Amino acid sequence: QSALTQPASVSGSPGQSITISCTGTSSDIGRYDYVSWYQQHPGKAPKLIIYEVSNRPSGVSNRFSGSKSGNTASLTISGLQAEDEADYYCTSYTSSSTQYIFGAGTRVTVL
Amino acid sequence: QVQLQESGPGLVKPSQTLSLTCTVSGGSISSDGYYWGWIRQHPGKGLEWIGYIYYSGSTYYNPSLKSRLTMSVDTSKNQFSLKLTSVTVADTAVYYCARGGSAYKFDFWGQGTLVTVSS
Repeated sequence: QSALTQPASVSGSPGQSITISCTGTSSDIGRYDYVSWYQQHPGKAPKLIIYEVSNRPSGVSNRFSGSKSGNTASLTISGLQAEDEADYYCTSYTSSSTQYIFGAGTRVTVL
Repeated sequence: QVQLQESGPGLVKPSQTLSLTCTVSGGSISSDGYYWGWIRQHPGKGLEWIGYIYYSGSTYYNPSLKSRLTMSVDTSKNQFSLKLTSVTVADTAVYYCARGGSAYKFDFWGQGTLVTVSS
């Protein structure tokens, strides 16, 4: 089972909005709404920021939003801030025996 | 607030068994609706799901690791564990334990522990 496809890097200036795409197949993102996004700062554990495509856990900034269309999910960060500089991983449930499939991660740089 | 903490050797020799334990605090490992998972991250790489276990003992493993993997749970100690046999340098990674729940999300994570496989 191949990983979900994410861009290696995305950058933006403070205050701007950026979008990270996550492309899968009809066996994962296209079939289920079980898409989650995690933020990981260097040397830290991943942190859940979006689940079920577009839901935010309590305490997560509303500057983070998620969506899905077909086999592609997206994470948008609006009002980009320096603290948003991190790696972002998407994951989806999959009908294969692997169950969980992750993207390779996107490095977000705040210019 | 649920907290998880991994523990175990940081260095394992090739062909030996990697053993890690995750201690859960701030909540019961026997809570319905949750499962307890392991995820690893090779140096400088992305995340890889290893598997998860329910407090009942039911397990779900990544097929690529299944033949070498055993997970267990000790509800009396609020802990769950991972054993990976016949390790190679390719198993060198940071290992995270995490709580899984509805919508197949992992909402609480341990800080991670680096396990190096080397002679």
